[in-house]
Amino acid sequence: EADIYQTPRYLVIGTGKKITLECSQTMGHDKMYWYQQDPGMELHLIHYSYGVNSTEKGDLSSESTVSRIRTEHFPLTLESARPSHTSQYLCASSLVGPGETQYFGPGTRLLVL
Amino acid sequence: KNQVEQSPQSLIILEGKNCTLQCNYTVSPFSNLRWYKQDTGRGPVSLTIMTFSENTKSNGRYTATLDADTKQSSLHITASQLSDSASYICVVSDRGSTLGRLYFGRGTQLTVWP
Repeated sequence: EADIYQTPRYLVIGTGKKITLECSQTMGHDKMYWYQQDPGMELHLIHYSYGVNSTEKGDLSSESTVSRIRTEHFPLTLESARPSHTSQYLCASSLVGPGETQYFGPGTRLLVL
Repeated sequence: KNQVEQSPQSLIILEGKNCTLQCNYTVSPFSNLRWYKQDTGRGPVSLTIMTFSENTKSNGRYTATLDADTKQSSLHITASQLSDSASYICVVSDRGSTLGRLYFGRGTQLTVWP
């Protein structure tokens, strides 16, 4: 089982709140990713990082931001949550290289009321 | 447009039976194809990976096939168990960028009944 952790696992908050979803991995992977997944739909890449101080936007436009101050930590922040942000957020990590397997965390299910 | 299509969308089978899930893709240039298993409330876990030159790969009761000419893959599950109930996601990677971008299918939701 992959050593990648996400907290919280479930979060219910009101509109306008600021939230941070945590993601940590202990595998020493340089590359990390955030995906958004709605029920029955494919995963969409919203952010990725090649390493410390590297962050890039993914394919799906997102109002969230990320930071990569430490190799093992890749938090995602929503400054002002809205109901449209309700979704499952999955963090992943991998070694460098286009063919490397991505290891996924258990996900955070977010509900914005 | 690079796409990954999976069928069926959902499938119900009885415990002990076999089943086959399909994946068609249009991703180019192709790097590799993976099948992931995603249990409810969990992140996806890689089952198999195949490159262009490989046409079959097994992992226990899971056997994946790849036809790179027709851009089709299948995942065959033998002697299904209740724990096989999950979503099975086909993921294709391209080699056109350093990121090795992944294209995800929507998954086949498999339910195994006792």
